[in-house]
Amino acid sequence: GNSVTQMEGPVTLSEEAFLTINCTYTATGYPSLFWYVQYPGEGLQLLLKATKADDKGSNKGFEATYRKETTSFHLEKGSVQVSDSAVYFCALSERNNRLAFGKGNQVVVIP
Amino acid sequence: DGGITQSPKYLFRKEGQNVTLSCEQNLNHDAMYWYRQDPGQGLRLIYYSQIVNDFQKGDIAEGYSVSREKKESFPLTVTSAQKNPTAFYLCASTLWGSNQPQHFGDGTRLSIL
Repeated sequence: GNSVTQMEGPVTLSEEAFLTINCTYTATGYPSLFWYVQYPGEGLQLLLKATKADDKGSNKGFEATYRKETTSFHLEKGSVQVSDSAVYFCALSERNNRLAFGKGNQVVVIP
Repeated sequence: DGGITQSPKYLFRKEGQNVTLSCEQNLNHDAMYWYRQDPGQGLRLIYYSQIVNDFQKGDIAEGYSVSREKKESFPLTVTSAQKNPTAFYLCASTLWGSNQPQHFGDGTRLSIL
């Protein structure tokens, strides 16, 4: 079946540092890929998406490129702020409009 | 503004009690979903509905029930058969069609008294 794997453990970094969160997937066909962000006590918000190979999704300084050859969709941001502290989820689309989610990564940005 | 409204934000359940979580959307979305979120486990799908009066079990449906009598509403009942109900519950919706993103409510946190 389809699955999404995110790197283990929280990510702690200083303000203005470069952020990378790894996401790899296993899927049949050609799914769309998504990154969601969850702030404390809230639901998930769509951060960016890509619908086909080599597409680059971008929003609020975050970027991710759909790499079919490496089955990856890594999230990057060049200079993080304290306000970027949140949990980030990678997801892919499945049949019947279902989504398969990774386990999420807690990101903590220290001033 | 269109969106998804979940209520209540916090809910407490006594042993042996059924409780119902509300989810309403005014986005005119076709499909609706319920997820359970536990620390370190990501999101797990409980039930989903693609159309009024129809719904399917997700990966962890045991101890839960749903109904879809109106397009806008998809309430979730946590029954007494669910032995470990303490969790954060998220409702989502989407337009029907391939590869559409889901839109989420702000969640309900359920705890056991």
